[in-house]
Amino acid sequence: GQSLEQPSEVTAVEGAIVQINCTYQTSGFYGLSWYQQHDGGAPTFLSYNALDGLEETGRFSSFLSRSDSYGYLLLQELQMKDSASYFCAVSLYGESGWGKLQFGAGTQVVVTP
Amino acid sequence: GAVVSQHPSWVICKSGTSVKIECRSLDFQATTMFWYRQFPKQSLMLMATSNEGSKATYEQGVEKDKFLINHASLTLSTLTVTSAHPEDSSFYICSAPGLEGKNEQFFGPGTRLTVL
Repeated sequence: GQSLEQPSEVTAVEGAIVQINCTYQTSGFYGLSWYQQHDGGAPTFLSYNALDGLEETGRFSSFLSRSDSYGYLLLQELQMKDSASYFCAVSLYGESGWGKLQFGAGTQVVVTP
Repeated sequence: GAVVSQHPSWVICKSGTSVKIECRSLDFQATTMFWYRQFPKQSLMLMATSNEGSKATYEQGVEKDKFLINHASLTLSTLTVTSAHPEDSSFYICSAPGLEGKNEQFFGPGTRLTVL
C-alpha cells in the first residue's frame, strides 16, 4: 500500500519561513506534488517534483529526494493569505495511465500577525 | 490555467434518494477524470478513476454499485450517489489531469452533499 506522513499543523508569523516535510512509502512512484487548500475550497496545484532536487516557484519551493523517499515544501515570506492546508501527494501510475494521486493527511499552516 | 466546473456546488437530500454530481472540463478535453471524497478536516481520498468510453476504475473499498460513474464525453463525467445515507455526507471533488510533464491536476470547486 501507500502511505504519506506530514506534520498536522505548523504555526508561524508573517514574513517567516516554513518548511513542511513529507515522507512516503509507495510502489509505482512517479513524482511528488504539493497542493494548497483553503477552507471550503478546491485544492490548487503548487509544485511538482519528478526528479531529485529543488523546484522554485516564486515564494514556494519544493524539494525531492527519491532515495530517501522524502520531500518538503518551503514557504517563504509568509503572508496571512498563506493560512491554509497543504497536502503532499504522490503521483501513481494507475490502470488508466498516469495522473492518479495519493494524498497525505495535510498540514494546517496558521500564519499569525 | 485549465478550468474544471462542478454542479451542483451543494445539495441537501433525504436519505434513500440518489444524487447526481457533474464534473466538466470547460476549456480542454479530459479522457480521464478522478473523483475524490473529503470529510471535514481530513485528506482527499481517491474514490475512482473515470474513463471516457469505458468503465470506471474504483479504489479498494469503494462500492461501485453505490457510486455510479459515467464518463459520457471528453468534457463530462458524472458521479451518482445512489440510495444516499447520512454517512455519505461529504465534500466530493473531481479533477482532471493537465499536461503529463507537469503533472498538474485541475480540481473542480467541489460539491457539498448533506444527506438528512
